[in-house]
Amino acid sequence: GAVVSQHPSRVICKSGTSVKIECRSLDFQATTMFWYRQFPKKSLMLMATSNEGSKATYEQGVEKDKFLINHASLTLSTLTVTSAHPEDSSFYICSAREGEAGELFFGEGSRLTVL
Amino acid sequence: SQQGEEDPQALSIQEGENATMNCSYKTSINNLQWYRQNSGRGLVHLILIRSNEREKHSGRLRVTLDTSKKSSSLLITASRAADTASYFCATVGSEKLVFGKGTKLTVNP
Repeated sequence: GAVVSQHPSRVICKSGTSVKIECRSLDFQATTMFWYRQFPKKSLMLMATSNEGSKATYEQGVEKDKFLINHASLTLSTLTVTSAHPEDSSFYICSAREGEAGELFFGEGSRLTVL
Repeated sequence: SQQGEEDPQALSIQEGENATMNCSYKTSINNLQWYRQNSGRGLVHLILIRSNEREKHSGRLRVTLDTSKKSSSLLITASRAADTASYFCATVGSEKLVFGKGTKLTVNP
């Protein structure tokens, strides 16, 4: 089946640094990728929708300058958390859409810890 | 918001029993999906039911959808310890997938 790979799975960084998380669709072309954030014991919050070759669409309340999303190819989208702060510590999950049926495939997630 | 809301929030059962989780949503949808998440991991797509379908089966999973009540249920039959996970319903309206808060299922051996 389709596989979406996220890297890194875990990252620890110092406050003020930037961290990049990659999301790759391994065996299909994903015109649309989504980025979610999950707080402990909470559901997933959609952060932004990323379309290949165009600017990402951010959800209300998500700072686009802080969470930079790039979808440069049909198999790769990146999320960069800029000037990270401890409150940015969270579990970030990407998903990629295959086809038009609405079924998504998710990555394993990336746990960010900002010290 | 068309966010789905699952109930119960937590469910603990014995192996072999059936587990039923419910999901309610607020607006019209194109389809509704159920996902599973093991602790600290990504999500696994379980089943998709379209707005014109009422019931769907996949192995030990049975999903129903009642668009008049804006609700769906996920039934896991003959549960196993390995079914222990969080289960989320997600609704798709205008393309975006919106998740509910999830039901944490614990299946005791």
